[in-house]
Amino acid sequence: DAGVTQSPTHLIKTRGQHVTLRCSPISGHKSVSWYQQVLGQGPQFIFQYYEKEERGRGNFPDRFSARQFPNYSSELNVNALLLGDSALYLCASSLERFNQPQHFGDGTRLSIL
Amino acid sequence: EDQVTQSPEALRLQEGESSSLNCSYTVSGLRGLFWYRQDPGKGPEFLFTLYSAGEEKEKERLKATLTKKESFLHITAPKPEDSATYLCAVGGFQGGSEKLVFGKGTKLTVNP
Repeated sequence: DAGVTQSPTHLIKTRGQHVTLRCSPISGHKSVSWYQQVLGQGPQFIFQYYEKEERGRGNFPDRFSARQFPNYSSELNVNALLLGDSALYLCASSLERFNQPQHFGDGTRLSIL
Repeated sequence: EDQVTQSPEALRLQEGESSSLNCSYTVSGLRGLFWYRQDPGKGPEFLFTLYSAGEEKEKERLKATLTKKESFLHITAPKPEDSATYLCAVGGFQGGSEKLVFGKGTKLTVNP
């Protein structure tokens, strides 16, 4: 079975631009979460989506937004990019919303120049 | 605020030298403790979930245990292929949503 897939794998942007990152969950998984991982740190929670609705948000500015589609795939959007947004963006899916292991994709490496 | 602290930050072992990694946590309403392995350039790979104090899980050379305040990942007779960063995360419930709170990880190097 295919795992969580993310695209693109790498991306280079400049300050002020916007970016859209995409995620396809494991087949049958209804919950998708997004995390930001800076080098040397653990992943930090950005959003959780379940059944196409936002169910949780971490401490990130409004420049970050996301959505989930009827097929449970998801997009993460970041506007007005800052140098500090450079990180590995990880998508994770789980069967249900609570008490389930989350399975991660290999992420999108975003570099801001 | 939910918090996870892992120690040590880095650990070097010789092949066959057993050791343990520690994860201490504070969380309001634990909804599971999760161990992941992360290789360079990859996403975290799920290893174990523990839900209640006293619970233990095993997989090959790895064994995870849980108490009310901490978890241990025991590595028995490690091999070089066990080299990776091991991440601990707790599932917390806040504001109607569940999220994983991660520690910074322990970078394990196993020398042949």
